[in-house]
Amino acid sequence: SQQGEEDPQALSIQEGENATMNCSYKTSINNLQWYRQNSGRGLVHLILIRSNEREKHSGRLRVTLDTSKKSSSLLITASRAADTASYFCATDANTGFQKLVFGTGTRLLVSP
Amino acid sequence: EPEVTQTPSHQVTQMGQEVILRCVPISNHLYFYWYRQILGQKVEFLVSFYNNEISEKSEIFDDQFSVERPDGSNFTLKIRSTKLEDSAMYFCASSGDRSGEQYFGPGTRLTVT
Repeated sequence: SQQGEEDPQALSIQEGENATMNCSYKTSINNLQWYRQNSGRGLVHLILIRSNEREKHSGRLRVTLDTSKKSSSLLITASRAADTASYFCATDANTGFQKLVFGTGTRLLVSP
Repeated sequence: EPEVTQTPSHQVTQMGQEVILRCVPISNHLYFYWYRQILGQKVEFLVSFYNNEISEKSEIFDDQFSVERPDGSNFTLKIRSTKLEDSAMYFCASSGDRSGEQYFGPGTRLTVT
């Protein structure tokens, strides 16, 4: 399957620290997207990185993609309590279809 | 900033009843999707829709499910005869291009009793 798997499943840090979450997938992709989900709420799009890109930044977010290892990482720098949420990676298959396959997510807890 | 909206936010229905979940995608988007998330589980793809037809559907999307774009703004998901296991959060998403960002709505929590 194309499943993405995030690592770690849960991460607990203090405000101001950096948080790194990893995602692995199994098949070739067009792009990989990261989403945030607050408990019981909708999915907020964070960043999209294409298969021909290696790194992308957006504010305090830094995403890397290593297609040879079929993995991506999301770094949140200088974390805040408001960053507490679940973070998911989602890949779309390199088959011309648009469906996203989501990983299991990393639950991030940022304590004040 | 444009956003995807969904109604209702919460729907409670009895087993066997029909439900229609409604979505208004971002106005200039052409690709539309439904996903669902059973409590505590992964987000799962249901169906994608482009040019007034289904472009792909998952195994979950059986004959009980249908989608429609009845006018220029709405995109609906109908479940004809709900089952207990249909209880989940249903998310609509839209995208401006085939492999671009998918923007999700806030979801409809469906509870089947």
